[in-house]
Amino acid sequence: GENVEQHPSTLSVQEGDSAVIKCTYSDSASNYFPWYKQELGKRPQLIIDIRSNVGEKKDQRIAVTLNKTAKHFSLHITETQPEDSAVYFCAARSNFGNEKLTFGTGTRLTIIP
Amino acid sequence: GAVVSQHPSWVICKSGTSVKIECRSLDFQATTMFWYRQFPKQSLMLMATSNEGSKATYEQGVEKDKFLINHASLTLSTLTVTSAHPEDSSFYICSAESGGFYNEQFFGPGTRLTVL
Repeated sequence: GENVEQHPSTLSVQEGDSAVIKCTYSDSASNYFPWYKQELGKRPQLIIDIRSNVGEKKDQRIAVTLNKTAKHFSLHITETQPEDSAVYFCAARSNFGNEKLTFGTGTRLTIIP
Repeated sequence: GAVVSQHPSWVICKSGTSVKIECRSLDFQATTMFWYRQFPKQSLMLMATSNEGSKATYEQGVEKDKFLINHASLTLSTLTVTSAHPEDSSFYICSAESGGFYNEQFFGPGTRLTVL
């Protein structure tokens, strides 16, 4: 089955600086890679996703890159703000219907004011 | 985006009792729903995949007789924790797939279960 590794487990960044979180996956059949933000005691919220037919996707301060050959994808947050503090999870899935998401272990991001 | 609700948001029960958690897709039909368990400071662990009109598919190590899943309609799946024990205390989260080309997964707000 799929195995997703995520690094780092914790990350502290000065407000205004950029944050990068990296994930690797094992199953070459995976073709959908979402990123979720989870605040304490709340549900995971989809913040951005990427499919295997593109290498990069950007939405305002958030971007995701995908390297299919190396089987890794990354989340980039620029101009970080205190409200970006949360736990971020990457995930991978084959998009052939009813396929489950495999989650990374999470990264606790702390933005230092 | 699509909305998934979950009820109750929290529950405290005595050891040995059963607890039912409901997961509803409010504005879309979900053929497939997923149930996760999340312990403090850990990732989401998939417990089972719930398919409307058929038996759930459980992940390895999850007891199907303890965690009963019923997906009776395209908008409702239920998880019943039977004979709950303190070690079952956790944050239970459901999700539903939107279907279609994008087939995104939307999460419910979670249910905090505490077994005394």
